[in-house]
Amino acid sequence: GDSVTQMEGPVTLSEEAFLTINCTYTATGYPSLFWYVQYPGEGLQLLLKATKADDKGSNKGFEATYRKETTSFHLEKGSVQVSDSAVYFCALSDNTGNQFYFGTGTSLTVIP
Amino acid sequence: GAGVSQTPSNKVTEKGKYVELRCDPISGHTALYWYRQSLGQGPEFLIYFQGTGAADDSGLPNDRFFAVRPEGSVSTLKIQRTERGDSAVYLCASSSTPGELFFGEGSRLTVL
Repeated sequence: GDSVTQMEGPVTLSEEAFLTINCTYTATGYPSLFWYVQYPGEGLQLLLKATKADDKGSNKGFEATYRKETTSFHLEKGSVQVSDSAVYFCALSDNTGNQFYFGTGTSLTVIP
Repeated sequence: GAGVSQTPSNKVTEKGKYVELRCDPISGHTALYWYRQSLGQGPEFLIYFQGTGAADDSGLPNDRFFAVRPEGSVSTLKIQRTERGDSAVYLCASSSTPGELFFGEGSRLTVL
C-alpha cells in the first residue's frame, strides 16, 4: 500500500545552516505530496505541497520538488532560523485526495 | 470558529472507562478526519467522514472505537473499555478541498 518514509531525527543545526530532510514515498497512481509542520504547542499545519511530478512547492523559504523518477520529495531550506524549530512531517494523498499517509516526523532544533 | 477545535485538550481516565473526544471542524468543511498520533510517530489514520457518513473507517483499530458525525459538522470519537495502549494524541482535521487538511491541536488521552 501507499506509504511515506522520512529521515529520522532529531536534527540540530546552527542558525543560517542549510537544511535537508529526506522523504521518499511508495504509491500507486499519482499521489499528491505534502510537508506539514508542527510548532511546539500547536497543531499540524500545511507547509507546502506539490500535486504532480516536477512540481516544486515552496513557502517560508522552504522548498520541495516532486521527483517521480526517485519517488522523493525532500524538504530544503537555504538558511534556517531559530523559529524553524519544529517537527516536520512528509505526507502523501492517494488518487482521490481523500486518504493521507504520514511519515514518522523529523524533529528540527535550530540553535542561535 | 476560525480553526478546527478539539475538546478536551487533555483527558486522563482509568482503564476500562468510556471516553468521548469532540471535534468541531472549520465551518463549511465537508470532509472530517480522525487520526491518532503516538509518541515519536506520525499521524495514523482512523476514520474519514464525507458529510454525515463514514466514507472510510478502515483505520479504526477494533470495535471499541466508534465515531459519529450526525449533522455533518461536529464529530465525536468514542472509545469504550479504554486500554493503556489507547493512550495517544487524537487529532482531528477537516478539509474543503481534496488534498489539504486543516488540523486541530489534538486531544491528549492518557489511560492509567
